[in-house]
Amino acid sequence: EPEVTQTPSHQVTQMGQEVILRCVPISNHLYFYWYRQILGQKVEFLVSFYNNEISEKSEIFDDQFSVERPDGSNFTLKIRSTKLEDSAMYFCASRPIRRTTYNEQFFGPGTRLTVL
Amino acid sequence: GQNIDQPTEMTATEGAIVQINCTYQTSGFNGLFWYQQHAGEAPTFLSYNVLDGLEEKGRFSSFLSRSKGYSYLLLKELQMKDSASYLCAVPGANYGGSQGNLIFGKGTKLSVKP
Repeated sequence: EPEVTQTPSHQVTQMGQEVILRCVPISNHLYFYWYRQILGQKVEFLVSFYNNEISEKSEIFDDQFSVERPDGSNFTLKIRSTKLEDSAMYFCASRPIRRTTYNEQFFGPGTRLTVL
Repeated sequence: GQNIDQPTEMTATEGAIVQINCTYQTSGFNGLFWYQQHAGEAPTFLSYNVLDGLEEKGRFSSFLSRSKGYSYLLLKELQMKDSASYLCAVPGANYGGSQGNLIFGKGTKLSVKP
């Protein structure tokens, strides 16, 4: 069964450094998302991406964040200058287009980002 | 905006039945999702309700009452592997059947005891 994959599984970085988190969505999916989950807290939406552009973003997704689909398979989240409070699990998700009202999102296994 | 409330924790016994409640307030309604999340893992889809009533899927069922802003997830014949967090989620305010970001509740951590 196709899966969303993410690399790395764990990233440790120093405060102020740039990090790039990578995702490979399911191949025939067209909508892509990043979510984050700070330890012990709820899953929070960051950004959605469709047709090679951001379709929606939350208040969390400020100028320090960017997303890109550099080729036909990868979807990346970049944090330009990491802060301690960016430490969280980052989940990528993707969704197909279906001609129904409900569109299940498929989540990747996550990247645990630790900022020191 | 979208707001979701769920109990923080529940405990149940192996083989029993447990009901996990969720209440929500949304601007517009485009359905309600339940996801399961084991510790340190990704959320996995369990169910979706958009019409009132009960949807049954094996040991798991989900109920929705739109007029009450209320849903529950019913787990039968509990197994140890059902110990996980159960997340109630609704589509974001701009869902419109297109972009579809999800707004999650804080989740209910279920512990199944022998």
